[in-house]
Amino acid sequence: AQSVTQLGSHVSVSEGALVLLRCNYSSSVPPYLFWYVQYPNQGLQLLLKYTTGATLVKGINGFEAEFKKSETSFHLTKPSAHMSDAAEYFCAVSVTGNQFYFGTGTSLTVIP
Amino acid sequence: DVKVTQSSRYLVKRTGEKVFLECVQDMDHENMFWYRQDPGLGLRLIYFSYDVKMKEKGDIPEGYSVSREKKERFSLILESASTNQTSMYLCASSQTRLGDSSFGFGEQFFGPGTRLTVL
Repeated sequence: AQSVTQLGSHVSVSEGALVLLRCNYSSSVPPYLFWYVQYPNQGLQLLLKYTTGATLVKGINGFEAEFKKSETSFHLTKPSAHMSDAAEYFCAVSVTGNQFYFGTGTSLTVIP
Repeated sequence: DVKVTQSSRYLVKRTGEKVFLECVQDMDHENMFWYRQDPGLGLRLIYFSYDVKMKEKGDIPEGYSVSREKKERFSLILESASTNQTSMYLCASSQTRLGDSSFGFGEQFFGPGTRLTVL
């Protein structure tokens, strides 16, 4: 069975500081990994995904994530936080393509 | 521009009412999903469908049913709404593309959500 753990339900960073949102997964087979962002009162929007190939994945809005198989991790980073990055972020894993397993989310606050 | 639409953004119903939540996608996707989202619990899968007239239970199907009569439309039905079904409901769709290494498995595209309040 697959599962996703997001460490830290709330993360606060100062504007311009590094953003690091943590995601660990468990899967018996190589998974496909995703990060989604949700702005208030909206649906989820894909930030980036890892399927195969390069383990460092670049997404929209300056975010990137690195797949580390040995650590079963897929942490999301952004070098410099912007006020517009304040949102909820979800990590997800899929093996079959028909079912996705989501983490419980991390709420990012950006302090001016 | 790809799009998943949901029939209502906000809905208020009374206990015992039958509630229909509609979802339509214009991407010709095979797979459609219904989730509920609650604070601290993330997204939980209620039902999904991988083809017309096909449905599979997710993690929390109790109290819900679904209907998929056309490929583009996936309906969630609360037969008798209860207060513990007050939640945000999210619809999503995806297309599984096996064997395409540049794409892999299709990501899910989400609708804007329906915030349902049951009084």
